[in-house]
Amino acid sequence: AQSVTQLGSHVSVSEGALVLLGCNYSSSVPPYLFWYVQYPNQGLQLLLKYTSAATLVKGINGFEAEFKKSETSFHLTKPSAHMSDAAEYFCAVSDPFSGGYNKLIFGAGTRLAVHP
Amino acid sequence: KAGVTQTPRYLIKTRGQQVTLSCSPISGHRSVSWYQQTPGQGLQFLFEYFSETQRNKGNFPGRFSGRQFSNSRSEMNVSTLELGDSALYLCASSSNRDRGMVFGPGTRLTVL
Repeated sequence: AQSVTQLGSHVSVSEGALVLLGCNYSSSVPPYLFWYVQYPNQGLQLLLKYTSAATLVKGINGFEAEFKKSETSFHLTKPSAHMSDAAEYFCAVSDPFSGGYNKLIFGAGTRLAVHP
Repeated sequence: KAGVTQTPRYLIKTRGQQVTLSCSPISGHRSVSWYQQTPGQGLQFLFEYFSETQRNKGNFPGRFSGRQFSNSRSEMNVSTLELGDSALYLCASSSNRDRGMVFGPGTRLTVL
């Protein structure tokens, strides 16, 4: 069965510092991988997705993630944190061959705090 | 382009009642998926509809049901509400060509 593990439920960084949010997945087939962000009292916004094309994926708001099959990882990074990046981030996986593209398995989420 | 809309945004019900939540997808999107978000269980997949047919379902009891209309709008129904059904219910739509769902703001259901 597929699963997603996000590394750390809370991450705190200084404004301007590197953001690194960890995500490891388990899947028996090449998965589709996603990062979503959720601001308070809002739905989820897609940051980026990996769908078996380039392993380095660039998303919105300066975020990017690299798919590393050997490490079963899909970590999210941003070179310089901004106060507006404070939110909860979710990594998700889907198996296009069995569960379908839209049946996502989500990680537990990582709450990112950005301090001045 | 208008986003995914969900109505109502907030709902308070009592145990044993039933509830219907509505979702209007982005124009042109034919797939609608529903997710439940709770502090304890996180985000869990409920079901997906495509062209008025349930294409996929998660591991929820039969009290949770849904449907999709010919205009792609979708509703989900929860019967015999339990306290544990209190959650944020998120609807998401997608087109078949672009892998990546667009989520609505959610309906926050409180069961007393």
